This record gives sequence, C-alpha cells and structure tokens, in this order.
Amino acid sequence: DQQVKQNSPSLSVQEGRISILNCDYTNSMFDYFLWYKKYPAEGPTFLISISSIKDKNEDGRFTVFLNKSAKHLSLHIVPSQPGDSAVYFCAASGAGYFGNEKLTFGTGTRLTIIP
Amino acid sequence: NAGVTQTPKFQVLKTGQSMTLQCAQDMNHEYMSWYRQDPGMGLRLIHYSVGAGITDQGEVPNGYNVSRSTTEDFPLRLLSAAPSQTSVYFCASSYSGVSNQPQHFGDGTRLSIL
Repeated sequence: DQQVKQNSPSLSVQEGRISILNCDYTNSMFDYFLWYKKYPAEGPTFLISISSIKDKNEDGRFTVFLNKSAKHLSLHIVPSQPGDSAVYFCAASGAGYFGNEKLTFGTGTRLTIIP
Repeated sequence: NAGVTQTPKFQVLKTGQSMTLQCAQDMNHEYMSWYRQDPGMGLRLIHYSVGAGITDQGEVPNGYNVSRSTTEDFPLRLLSAAPSQTSVYFCASSYSGVSNQPQHFGDGTRLSIL
C-alpha cells in the first residue's frame, strides 16, 4: 500500500516557467513532509520541508504548499532553470514514535527543464 | 567534508554469495539507515539505527542484516544474495530520528545479482 504517491512519473517545463510537482498521502499520522532532489548516480539531497502546522514554506525559488484536508502537497519552482532537471522525491514522516520517525518516500517525478 | 561514504559503488554477485555494503559518516550523526531504490518503487527502508548498539527493521528487512558497533559505521550484510536483491542501495544519516532532521544520503551502491 503506497502511503505517499507521486502520480506523475515525469514532467517537462520550459526554462523560466513555473514547475509544479504534486504529492498525495494517505496516512493522517504524517506530520512532516520533505522534498528531496536526485541527480543520476548521486544520492538524494534535501531540498525543502514543511511541518503539518503550516500550509506554506518558501526558500528562494522553491515553495512547498500543504493542504492537510486534501492530504496533498506540492512543490513550486519558479523560475525553473536547467539545473533543476532531476528526479524529485516527496517524503513523509511522523507516523512512528518520537525520535524514530521513519521516512516514507513517493516514487519520484522526473523533471526536465527545456532550454 | 566527506559526509556519507558508501563502498563499493558497483558490485556484481552470483546467487548465494554473501557481501557487505559499507557505509560511514563523519558528521557524528546518531541516526543511520539503509534504503533500496527500485524502478517505480521509490526508496524503501531496509534497516535503521538510532545509535550505536541499537538497530531495528524497516519496511523490507528480509535477507539483510545490520549492526552498529560505532557511531560512524553502519554496514549492511547480504548473507545469501538473491536476484530479487538487485537494486541501488542508499545509506543515510541524520542528527536524530526526529521528523525535522533531514537525512544526508550517500551516492549509492549499485548491486546486481546474477
């Protein structure tokens, strides 16, 4: 049972435009959400996160929105740049006990920025 | 800064062979974990450790063993490799297991079992 879902395996966006990556989750116990970015032959790197007590978190060109009632979050990248081409993983935690909150990952979305 | 170092980067094994995937971190992180990444499956947690001497199972632990004798090292052992264990393995560490501590990942070990 996939508790964190990224329903779009791939997304292509023109350079300079906005990229929107979506993520849905089913476990209402999740209370913290993270986005990781992964380049080929490298490990995932942390990008941005949001706590369930917020509905928006912004860091430069990256903004994450959380809609708890819909169990949906999205990552907005604006403006999109060629270096943003990568696989983006959504992850959720908080379903375990304090100090042992394992991450549950989505299947990833491959973002391609077209010059 | 080295961060999280995984060795080897690539390995080919025959069914039934054993091997150990090495993971070391130099950030004095208490929390370490192992994931496998398979096509269409995302990253799935194999085993994790909240500190030296303490390990526990994740989502897909069968066929793998771990131990944590030091804060720095968290090796993953395959006792009898099976083709189903062909995957890319990632080791990660974080300051603690608390939600808001992002995990730092190594660059992975690509393992093929023939």
